[in-house]
Amino acid sequence: DAGVIQSPRHEVTEMGQEVTLRCKPISGHNSLFWYRQTMMRGLELLIYFNNNVPIDDSGMPEDRFSAKMPNASFSTLKIQPSEPRDSAVYFCASSLGTTALPTQYFGPGTRLLVL
Amino acid sequence: AQSVSQHNHHVILSEAASLELGCNYSYGGTVNLFWYVQYPGQHLQLLLKYFSGDPLVKGIKGFEAEFIKSKFSFNLRKPSVQWSDTAEYFCAVNGHNYGQNFVFGPGTRLSVLP
Repeated sequence: DAGVIQSPRHEVTEMGQEVTLRCKPISGHNSLFWYRQTMMRGLELLIYFNNNVPIDDSGMPEDRFSAKMPNASFSTLKIQPSEPRDSAVYFCASSLGTTALPTQYFGPGTRLLVL
Repeated sequence: AQSVSQHNHHVILSEAASLELGCNYSYGGTVNLFWYVQYPGQHLQLLLKYFSGDPLVKGIKGFEAEFIKSKFSFNLRKPSVQWSDTAEYFCAVNGHNYGQNFVFGPGTRLSVLP
């Protein structure tokens, strides 16, 4: 079975540019999560969706960040404009959204470097 | 609010030594608890999880964890570590009132010396 798929795996961009990260959750999963991992702050939840609807976006750092989930098999995280402090590894995770078994499965991550 | 603390930032062991990584959570209600492992340069993978029942949970690769409700703890153990266990270990909690929302601890880096 294919796991969570993320693209690109690596992204290098210049400050001020728009960055779009993509995620395809595991088929049949109805919850999707975006995390950011840095040395300084560890693993932070940015936003999560349930049945394509954003449930909690309190972790989104600021208005430069936006996330969408137009359908059950695709989500994007966009940063516009990007800044050097956005450099991190961004993970997408998905789960089957039954309360009793919310195990999250992680994708390989996108390593973002903003120069 | 739910929160997670992990006692050790970095643990260094020799091969065959026993391992115990501490995890404490803060949440007043029923919880689901998880340990994830992140090998160098890779994504997080589930080691084991606790939902209910037997508080001693066995996971993959010889790991186990014990849920002690009175202490709000979920410590990870392995009787004999291997060099290949070198990784970062994350404890996570999901309070039943928080839907799908997890809170991850800061992680413990384990270095196993050959």
